[in-house]
Amino acid sequence: GEDVEQSLFLSVREGDSSVINCTYTDSSSTYLYWYKQEPGAGLQLLTYIFSNMDMKQDQRLTVLLNKKDKHLSLRIADTQTGDSAIYFCAERMDTGRRALTFGSGTRLQVQP
Amino acid sequence: DGGITQSPKYLFRKEGQNVTLSCEQNLNHDAMYWYRQDPGQGLRLIYYSQIVNDFQKGDIAEGYSVSREKKESFPLTVTSAQKNPTAFYLCASSIVDNEQFFGPGTRLTVL
Repeated sequence: GEDVEQSLFLSVREGDSSVINCTYTDSSSTYLYWYKQEPGAGLQLLTYIFSNMDMKQDQRLTVLLNKKDKHLSLRIADTQTGDSAIYFCAERMDTGRRALTFGSGTRLQVQP
Repeated sequence: DGGITQSPKYLFRKEGQNVTLSCEQNLNHDAMYWYRQDPGQGLRLIYYSQIVNDFQKGDIAEGYSVSREKKESFPLTVTSAQKNPTAFYLCASSIVDNEQFFGPGTRLTVL
């Protein structure tokens, strides 16, 4: 079945690195996504990774995928106050429904 | 400017009323989706459509209805059968099997 889990809250100091973790249960997931949501707004796609990759880097963002453990992480280097938001991971499978299944989101608070 | 628009931004409904939320996209995407977000929770799929004149129920379709008469439009009606409709509603679109792009959302409150 489909289930995506994230920790609810993370607090870091400005300039530190943030690591947001996500676990998923469906081994047939082909794409895994990270979205950012600011208060009262829609979701903004940050990055995604294909299931045959281990790592993807895009400027301050690094995504790591451990397919054996079904574990996905998002690392934000040099975290800024503007990074404060809720971060969602989501999985998509290439069979059946093809819609995204989202985690419950991790609220990142960046302290100055 | 290409993108997804949702209207209205805020919507108030009285008990027993049906209301319709608008979602329009000019990205030429075939697929469109409606999600519901409750405080402190992730997004739950209400309905989705991968092609004009066709749509499928998601995980929480009861009390909702949709239509897909045009490629660029996917309105969601919240009916009186939906017992707890107060939530934030998000529309998304995509090329089929590609990443989804989201609109700004509609916050629905039942009075």
